[in-house]
Amino acid sequence: NAGVTQTPKFQVLKTGQSMTLQCAQDMNHNSMYWYRQDPGMGLRLIYYSASEGTTDKGEVPNGYNVSRLNKREFSLRLESAAPSQTSVYFCASGLIDTQYFGPGTRLTVL
Amino acid sequence: GENVEQHPSTLSVQEGDSAVIKCTYSDSASNYFPWYKQELGKRPQLIIDIRSNVGEKKDQRIAVTLNKTAKHFSLHITETQPEDSAVYFCAASSGGGADGLTFGKGTHLIIQP
Repeated sequence: NAGVTQTPKFQVLKTGQSMTLQCAQDMNHNSMYWYRQDPGMGLRLIYYSASEGTTDKGEVPNGYNVSRLNKREFSLRLESAAPSQTSVYFCASGLIDTQYFGPGTRLTVL
Repeated sequence: GENVEQHPSTLSVQEGDSAVIKCTYSDSASNYFPWYKQELGKRPQLIIDIRSNVGEKKDQRIAVTLNKTAKHFSLHITETQPEDSAVYFCAASSGGGADGLTFGKGTHLIIQP
């Protein structure tokens, strides 16, 4: 039982490049989430998926898109990366309201 | 939307003493309040949570209290140990629970030997 897994662990992009962050969970949770964490800012919700087939915007969705591929997988895409998107990205999954986090992806945009 | 304020941003206590971290929230519809501990370079880990139908919850050295009227909740750690050093985040959930958490900005807890 791996819990919540994320790939990659680290990534460096140039401004304008695109990439997809992958997240998977094996806990049979209905809900999945993407957060970003910046120094002194806590964690902020980017997008979430309350159930398979649905996605909704969170607090900071601009510049991102998501796909809930199936119940297990929830991906986050940056279409044209900007330096302001340098951050640590955490995926989480949950049952009703309790959420469990993945190990994070540290993304740097030059 | 929900707004969560957390204080203090840094807290230094002597080993064996108690530590208290306080949070306030703005949305009276919020009904779930978790606390997460994050060690350097690691993921946030859920350490305790409380729902709005409960005023206090305890798990060994950790307790959380909730005052719905005043819209604030607090984390209490007793008999602090070096391994309690970390950043602690409070959070609140409104609108049914599955639509994500709003986090405070964190408290860096330092346990002095």
